[in-house]
Amino acid sequence: KNEVEQSPQNLTAQEGEFITINCSYSVGISALHWLQQHPGGGIVSLFMLSSGKKKHGRLIATINIQEKHSSLHITASHPRDSAVYICAVTRETSGSRLTFGEGTQLTVNP
Amino acid sequence: DGGITQSPKYLFRKEGQNVTLSCEQNLNHDAMYWYRQDPGQGLRLIYYSQIVNDFQKGDIAEGYSVSREKKESFPLTVTSAQKNPTAFYLCAVRDRGRIGYGYTFGSGTRLTVV
Repeated sequence: KNEVEQSPQNLTAQEGEFITINCSYSVGISALHWLQQHPGGGIVSLFMLSSGKKKHGRLIATINIQEKHSSLHITASHPRDSAVYICAVTRETSGSRLTFGEGTQLTVNP
Repeated sequence: DGGITQSPKYLFRKEGQNVTLSCEQNLNHDAMYWYRQDPGQGLRLIYYSQIVNDFQKGDIAEGYSVSREKKESFPLTVTSAQKNPTAFYLCAVRDRGRIGYGYTFGSGTRLTVV
């Protein structure tokens, strides 16, 4: 079993819909990261969080440390949000090394 | 690229050849990382360096080599010993923020064996 699990693997939505991507992890962490990978391949860091909730524009990330679970929400989705969203954790015992989930492919249709 | 430049964007390698992927940063960060991405899998760590003239193996270092002679540069060589080198390679740097380490990624190099 992977230490970081994401669901769903693939998600198709209509423009304007509210989207949720989930991430569960099984190890102790010092931080959780949400990343976005566009078709060209480059990765952009969206959020780094260790507790609570963060918001940036239409994106919201939450984390529940006790349940070892995080969610990424996109409000009023748009076709330009189509990308792979990756959850990664910095484990307490591995210094700064990241452990990655397999990613969620999001497609938003107009 | 947020201050990280990877080159080339696409690279083709013949069987038995060594190839070197470039990663340059102007963010003045100490820690640099190389990851490999295969379809349907999460990124995996190849090598990382926390300071000039020092580097450590990651989870899949076999068939790869690195050097860190300058703070700005962390090139990755894919040697002929790497049996399945076709993949997407990403370089990243780490910076220390208020609550922990944040990361900036390059745009990647797609390597194909021909």
